[in-house]
Amino acid sequence: GENVEQHPSTLSVQEGDSAVIKCTYSDSASNYFPWYKQELGKGPQLIIDIRSNVGEKKDQRIAVTLNKTAKHFSLHITETQPEDSAVYFCAASISDSGGYNKLIFGAGTRLAVHP
Amino acid sequence: KAGVTQTPRYLIKTRGQQVTLSCSPISGHRSVSWYQQTPGQGLQFLFEYFSETQRNKGNFPGRFSGRQFSNSRSEMNVSTLELGDSALYLCASSFQGFGTEAFFGQGTRLTVV
Repeated sequence: GENVEQHPSTLSVQEGDSAVIKCTYSDSASNYFPWYKQELGKGPQLIIDIRSNVGEKKDQRIAVTLNKTAKHFSLHITETQPEDSAVYFCAASISDSGGYNKLIFGAGTRLAVHP
Repeated sequence: KAGVTQTPRYLIKTRGQQVTLSCSPISGHRSVSWYQQTPGQGLQFLFEYFSETQRNKGNFPGRFSGRQFSNSRSEMNVSTLELGDSALYLCASSFQGFGTEAFFGQGTRLTVV
């Protein structure tokens, strides 16, 4: 079935430490994996994404890795700052019988970065 | 360029009423998708519209419906509101649909009393 599992549900780190959030997906045909950051009172903001033909992608302090064989992907945030505190969602695109994609989201990780 | 705009931001409705929410996508984007976000269920896909046609639908009852206009603006309607419909309703716009970058609006917070 359609499922994206995300761990941990909460993560607390000290400023400057790294944070890692992991997701697994069930549909082997999934080919697009975005990550979103949601701050209180706002909609989810796309922060990075990766496609199935790439194993790793970096953008400044954030990086995403993808292991297609194991069907899991991870978000890495280095040198965390208090403004990184938010809820992070992973997602995987799956195709329906008509060939159109939809995004299935993980349950979210609440990241707290303490000064 | 302007982001995704959802109106209204907040709504309070009574059980049994109906409600219409609006979403204006990023200029040039033809795909609009709707999601329901609740603390217990997370982000759940409602449906996607592309060039005025619904091409994907989630597992929600028929009380949830939508449409898209020729200018790509989309509306979502919920009829016969139930208490459990209280949620943050989010729309996301993308150029061609999921599988390409999708950008969310701020959402409409619906409270059913």
